[in-house]
Amino acid sequence: SAVISQKPSRDICQRGTSLTIQCQVDSQVTMMFWYRQQPGQSLTLIATANQGSEATYESGFVIDKFPISRPNLTFSTLTVSNMSPEDSSIYLCSVLASGRGETQYFGPGTRLLVL
Amino acid sequence: AQKVTQAQTEISVVEKEDVTLDCVYETRDTTYYLFWYKQPPSGELVFLIRRNSFDEQNEISGRYSWNFQKSTSSFNFTITASQVVDSAVYFCALSRRTSGSRLTFGEGTQLTVNP
Repeated sequence: SAVISQKPSRDICQRGTSLTIQCQVDSQVTMMFWYRQQPGQSLTLIATANQGSEATYESGFVIDKFPISRPNLTFSTLTVSNMSPEDSSIYLCSVLASGRGETQYFGPGTRLLVL
Repeated sequence: AQKVTQAQTEISVVEKEDVTLDCVYETRDTTYYLFWYKQPPSGELVFLIRRNSFDEQNEISGRYSWNFQKSTSSFNFTITASQVVDSAVYFCALSRRTSGSRLTFGEGTQLTVNP
């Protein structure tokens, strides 16, 4: 499977600030996704990161709150804007690698705590 | 709409016991994929298996086995001779058989294997 890294691995932030999370893959991938996992909950898809165009957001998630970039086939960022304690979650990126069927592989996640 | 139900929120067993994690799904699609992922305390999501809807053959991989029954819309996961390292949250997931389709996750089952 592709090797996926995320930065930062964890952070503690103050409310009202923004944090940008990076996702880097060691090979070109066809698709990249961002998920949120709130404490004790399952994973929820935030958006699909599209290379060279605006991300596709799921219901309940908006670009102003979660701006996403994907400048190339190996890198994406997710920004959590104007944070509140409700944004405390694990944020995970996943990738769909060409030639490996329809299996999504996940990064190690970013643990975010908002005070 | 797609839905995945993992009715067992938490399971606790003693080492060397066998344990089965249940997964029931709902979909209107005739073709789809089913997945199991493992999330250890470190937080990363580890891919375990993908099953195509047209392939009902059961699969065994070491101590892990999967029982897919389309007639009952179930995709259960059995760990034989459990070990402490198996302690994790296990997620069952479903996706359509179209490229880049989103994953729909169940709520997860917390498995604790006690020595």
